[in-house]
Amino acid sequence: AQSVTQLGSHVSVSEGALVLLRCNYSSSVPPYLFWYVQYPNQGLQLLLKYTTGATLVKGINGFEAEFKKSETSFHLTKPSAHMSDAAEYFCAVSWAQAGTALIFGKGTTLSVSS
Amino acid sequence: DSGVTQTPKHLITATGQRVTLRCSPRSGDLSVYWYQQSLDQGLQFLIQYYNGEERAKGNILERFSAQQFPDLHSELNLSSLELGDSALYFCASSVGQGDTQYFGPGTRLTVL
Repeated sequence: AQSVTQLGSHVSVSEGALVLLRCNYSSSVPPYLFWYVQYPNQGLQLLLKYTTGATLVKGINGFEAEFKKSETSFHLTKPSAHMSDAAEYFCAVSWAQAGTALIFGKGTTLSVSS
Repeated sequence: DSGVTQTPKHLITATGQRVTLRCSPRSGDLSVYWYQQSLDQGLQFLIQYYNGEERAKGNILERFSAQQFPDLHSELNLSSLELGDSALYFCASSVGQGDTQYFGPGTRLTVL
């Protein structure tokens, strides 16, 4: 079955440090890939997405992600963490051949300390 | 603000009851999706409508049903509620199938 795995349910970094949130998917067919962020008591906000084309995708708030087909990964990075980045991050995938519903990973909570 | 609205924001009810959650998609969006977020199951897709027609079903219980009306707003009906139905219910909308989904703020359902 198709699935999404986010390694690490909780990641802690210091302000100014590199943020790396990991996402792997299992499928023989390359999916569409998304990262969403959820702040406390709010809905999900799209950070970035990959459908086709350039494998390095830039999103909002300084985040970017790279699609690596050989590793079936779509890790999210940000060079320098800010306190306001503290939130829960979800990796999601969809496959056009299987409909367009999103399959989400279990989420990674990012904590940023000063 | 994504442009997707959901009402009510909070809902507290008792086991065995029935509730209706409402979603208004962004202007121009034809697709509406419903998702459930719970601590044990995470974010799960429930059902999708496109221009009034059901297009896909996920892990939606038989006690749950949904519809999309001619004005494109959607309602999710949950009946015979159980304690385990307590969760955040999100609606998302997109222009068409396969386009970026924009999420509403959610409805927090508490079943006592």
